[in-house]
Amino acid sequence: DAKTTQPPSMDCAEGRAANLPCNHSTISGNEYVYWYRQIHSQGPQYIIHGLKNNETNEMASLIITEDRKSSTLILPHATLRDTAVYYCIVRPNTGTASKLTFGTGTRLQVTL
Amino acid sequence: NAGVTQTPKFQVLKTGQSMTLQCAQDMNHEYMSWYRQDPGMGLRLIHYSVGAGITDQGEVPNGYNVSRSTTEDFPLRLLSAAPSQTSVYFCASNPRGDTSYEQYFGPGTRLTVT
Repeated sequence: DAKTTQPPSMDCAEGRAANLPCNHSTISGNEYVYWYRQIHSQGPQYIIHGLKNNETNEMASLIITEDRKSSTLILPHATLRDTAVYYCIVRPNTGTASKLTFGTGTRLQVTL
Repeated sequence: NAGVTQTPKFQVLKTGQSMTLQCAQDMNHEYMSWYRQDPGMGLRLIHYSVGAGITDQGEVPNGYNVSRSTTEDFPLRLLSAAPSQTSVYFCASNPRGDTSYEQYFGPGTRLTVT
């Protein structure tokens, strides 16, 4: 699976958009970008994933650059409950056991 | 659905003791996995299963055994606990097929080995 690089921490004011970057310069053609988050002491929670097109769901938007070497997770209106560690993961969506490789992620702190 | 459940929530063991961490899911998912998370670290895969009767090793399998006799249950056994196994353990499950990307995680078991 391709390696990912994320900033260790970010701050965001409540109500503003949180933009979390991820570099994955060695991504290969069949690898998807997944985002999970882990709110303090809880199990990780799936947010969104994509291959090359931008994706949006009720939680977030995912913007993938045209060369697919980086992506950005956007939380459009961050709230205090979005304070968490956000993990960017790159792996094939092969349909076999989804073994996820978690790095250390980005710790997002949303403040008043 | 209860989703993924884990018991116990907390456990303290002495070095050399053995125990089993329980994990169950009621979503009829074929795939189940065990991860450990050490302080300040990401999750690391211990063992996983692609269906009843089938298990395989992940990144850090030493000191742990698993079995999968039913679709619902995937217990993790610590054979002889060591302080290095102090960690938070998460069980996860996901379906086969188009939505296999979405893993559902349990609430975790916090294990301390003294």
